[in-house]
Amino acid sequence: EAGVAQSPRYKIIEKRQSVAFWCNPISGHATLYWYQQILGQGPKLLIQFQNNGVVDDSQLPKDRFSAERLKGVDSTLKIQPAKLEDSAVYLCASSLAGTSIRQYFGPGTRLTVT
Amino acid sequence: KNQVEQSPQSLIILEGKNCTLQCNYTVSPFSNLRWYKQDTGRGPVSLTIMTFSENTKSNGRYTATLDADTKQSSLHITASQLSDSASYICVVSARPGTYKYIFGTGTRLKVLA
Repeated sequence: EAGVAQSPRYKIIEKRQSVAFWCNPISGHATLYWYQQILGQGPKLLIQFQNNGVVDDSQLPKDRFSAERLKGVDSTLKIQPAKLEDSAVYLCASSLAGTSIRQYFGPGTRLTVT
Repeated sequence: KNQVEQSPQSLIILEGKNCTLQCNYTVSPFSNLRWYKQDTGRGPVSLTIMTFSENTKSNGRYTATLDADTKQSSLHITASQLSDSASYICVVSARPGTYKYIFGTGTRLKVLA
């Protein structure tokens, strides 16, 4: 079974630049999550999709972050413009549905903002 | 406020030794608790999932316990190996329907030869 795919794996940008991350969940998984994990901390949920609808984006800094999941499959997360404090690993996860089902995580994208 | 606290923050042990990691939570209403292993540069991988009615779950050398009354969980690693070096994250989910996962900050384990 193929896992959750993310790209790129690493990205270095200067502050005020824009960046986009891509996630391809496990086939058939209706729920997709984007997390931000700052070094030494646990992941923080940014946004959760159920199919192509947003379930929770309460912790997404909407002035600079945006995400979409067109057609309920792949998803992109964009930061525009980036700040130094956005340096983190961005994890994508997917699950069949609901909170009682196991989440499968991708390898993450490590973003460094200089 | 829903919180998950883990201890210790970091731990160094010798290969072959056992260790126990702790997780205390204040999440309510509780649905399930998971332990994840996160290798450096990788995404978290699920080790165990326990619901309210389960108090022990094993996965090879990993054994998780859950005390829903005291809202505590532990992850015990037996006969540690170098490959156990990783961060271990405790995640608690609120009751189905609320779609909330609360992550702990993790325990960073280093196993030395």
